[in-house]
Amino acid sequence: EAQVTQNPRYLITVTGKKLTVTCSQNMNHEYMSWYRQDPGLGLRQIYYSMNVEVTDKGDVPEGYKVSRKEKRNFPLILESPSPNQTSLYFCASSLWGQGVNEQYFGPGTRLTVT
Amino acid sequence: GNSVTQMEGPVTLSEEAFLTINCTYTATGYPSLFWYVQYPGEGLQLLLKATKADDKGSNKGFEATYRKETTSFHLEKGSVQVSDSAVYFCALNQAGTALIFGKGTTLSVSS
Repeated sequence: EAQVTQNPRYLITVTGKKLTVTCSQNMNHEYMSWYRQDPGLGLRQIYYSMNVEVTDKGDVPEGYKVSRKEKRNFPLILESPSPNQTSLYFCASSLWGQGVNEQYFGPGTRLTVT
Repeated sequence: GNSVTQMEGPVTLSEEAFLTINCTYTATGYPSLFWYVQYPGEGLQLLLKATKADDKGSNKGFEATYRKETTSFHLEKGSVQVSDSAVYFCALNQAGTALIFGKGTTLSVSS
């Protein structure tokens, strides 16, 4: 089954404790992206990657890091989480380039930073 | 730059009512347009899409027509059900660029 998986689904942590949210897709997609969803703000893109070893900042990259060492994986790293990073996070993937490229979303990770 | 504007919610309807959620966009060239739906506790999934002017996307009784003259892509459904309660996102995309979302509209349908 074609899918994007994220882990963990729920995470409660404390300020400053490094964490990683994993994202994996099995569709051989070039493009992967991380979003955060906050009430009244919709989805905002954090980082994206157009292929292995190619990443770039989205609209709200501060406080986050990513890496793309393999095509299927795109982890999101919070080196020193703060309470303003409490949010619902989504990973997505798609083909990249010409044509209409539907994005497939993971189920979301709800992060609470206290 | 490109942007998407959706009507603010929440939209509250009774079962079998007619639904319209307005969406307008700003873009250079000819973007592709999408509606995504997010059911409670789930990720977003594609509801319908249109790739050129006057195209009509449709799925699960929902429809939207790509209107270039009014830069709009309004979502409609003739008779909503309780199971349609969700958050709806309008989005646009141009080849080689990232998907741009509106802020989402929450729909609540009561029986």
